Amino acid sequence: IAGITQAPTSQILAAGRRMTLRCTQDMRHNAMYWYRQDLGLGLRLIHYSNTAGTTGKGEVPDGYSVSRANTDDFPLTLASAVPSQTSVYFCASSVTSEPTDTQYFGPGTRLTVL
Amino acid sequence: EDQVTQSPEALRLQEGESSSLNCSYTVSGLRGLFWYRQDPGKGPEFLFTLYSAGEEKEKERLKATLTKKESFLHITAPKPEDSATYLCASEAGGYNKLIFGAGTRLAVHP
Repeated sequence: IAGITQAPTSQILAAGRRMTLRCTQDMRHNAMYWYRQDLGLGLRLIHYSNTAGTTGKGEVPDGYSVSRANTDDFPLTLASAVPSQTSVYFCASSVTSEPTDTQYFGPGTRLTVL
Repeated sequence: EDQVTQSPEALRLQEGESSSLNCSYTVSGLRGLFWYRQDPGKGPEFLFTLYSAGEEKEKERLKATLTKKESFLHITAPKPEDSATYLCASEAGGYNKLIFGAGTRLAVHP
């Protein structure tokens, strides 16, 4: 069992370009999340999905969009990248969206926007 | 505004030198407090969930405790392989949204 996989591992992107970060889980978890991690700020929630077909906005959603067409995949799209979106992005999942459910994290995607 | 604050930002220990990491939170009606370990270039790895004040959980050299305003991660006789960043997070407002602290970078030297 792989758990959560993310692709690409790292990417350098020109400002203004469109980019999709991929996230796939094989645990049949209902809930999935996207976080960004910046030095000194900790992990911040971008978007979440409680179940396939539904999505919601987190703390820092501007400039990002997500979709959840099925249980396993939760891609994050930057429609027009800006340098402030340079960060490490983590996808996570949990069995349900209950507040006490453990979230399990993927290995991350390091994104640099120039 | 709900906040999670971790201290110290960085901690350097000698192997075998026990210490504690602090996580203070302002979430009212806390239902879950989570500890994660993060190695450089990796994703956070789940350690513990604490649900109510007075609860304690242990795993090898780590013990997590919870009061009404803070949580501690006690590290007993640490080894160099315990070196990592330790993250604390509280749940906030349903839908399993987590608020993370900035982490404590722990370095254990032989």
